[in-house]
Amino acid sequence: GESVGLHLPTLSVQEGDNSIINCAYSNSASDYFIWYKQESGKGPQFIIDIRSNMDKRQGQRVTVLLNKTVKHLSLQIAATQPGDSAVYFCAENSGGSNYKLTFGKGTLLTVNP
Amino acid sequence: NAGVTQTPKFQVLKTGQSMTLQCAQDMNHEYMSWYRQDPGMGLRLIHYSVGAGITDQGEVPNGYNVSRSTTEDFPLRLLSAAPSQTSVYFCASSPTGGTWQPQHFGDGTRLSIL
Repeated sequence: GESVGLHLPTLSVQEGDNSIINCAYSNSASDYFIWYKQESGKGPQFIIDIRSNMDKRQGQRVTVLLNKTVKHLSLQIAATQPGDSAVYFCAENSGGSNYKLTFGKGTLLTVNP
Repeated sequence: NAGVTQTPKFQVLKTGQSMTLQCAQDMNHEYMSWYRQDPGMGLRLIHYSVGAGITDQGEVPNGYNVSRSTTEDFPLRLLSAAPSQTSVYFCASSPTGGTWQPQHFGDGTRLSIL
């Protein structure tokens, strides 16, 4: 089965709200995780990454939280904007290196103006 | 600096035809990979390469061949196209494996097999 999965396949929020996208992983040996954003007709775009020796990492308007105890990853987007509407994927390394990634199925985020 | 460039963007093939999907990167990345993306599914790794002359199989390699003669290029070949290979194909690259850096993706090739 899937090593990486998502709790919510779709998420609809109002502009200005904060968004939280969740991801569960099953490989306890994974030590590198990435969030990607994919807009319609485009390739995945890197958002933020985190190593397993960290619990939290912040970027511009985005925060990734890692809970290794329950093997859970989340992406928080602050002050969500219409341009944030896209499919978001989490990915974990599956081969002990950054080049063998296992992707989740994705969450569709819709931001309503 | 164009990043990862994939050609063509769209292609329609008949069952049994062969085709090569092109991927080029200008970032001097050693690692390159091919994924396929099917509706409702995440990306699945087809083949990857950790440097010129080195390739290996991913999760779904059957029906596809690759080669890596240069650092810049990593073509994906379908020898005899089948309808099950209808998908969107993405190429990605990243710096040397062993350093934790994200993969950068092209915008994909949308392939339909009739």
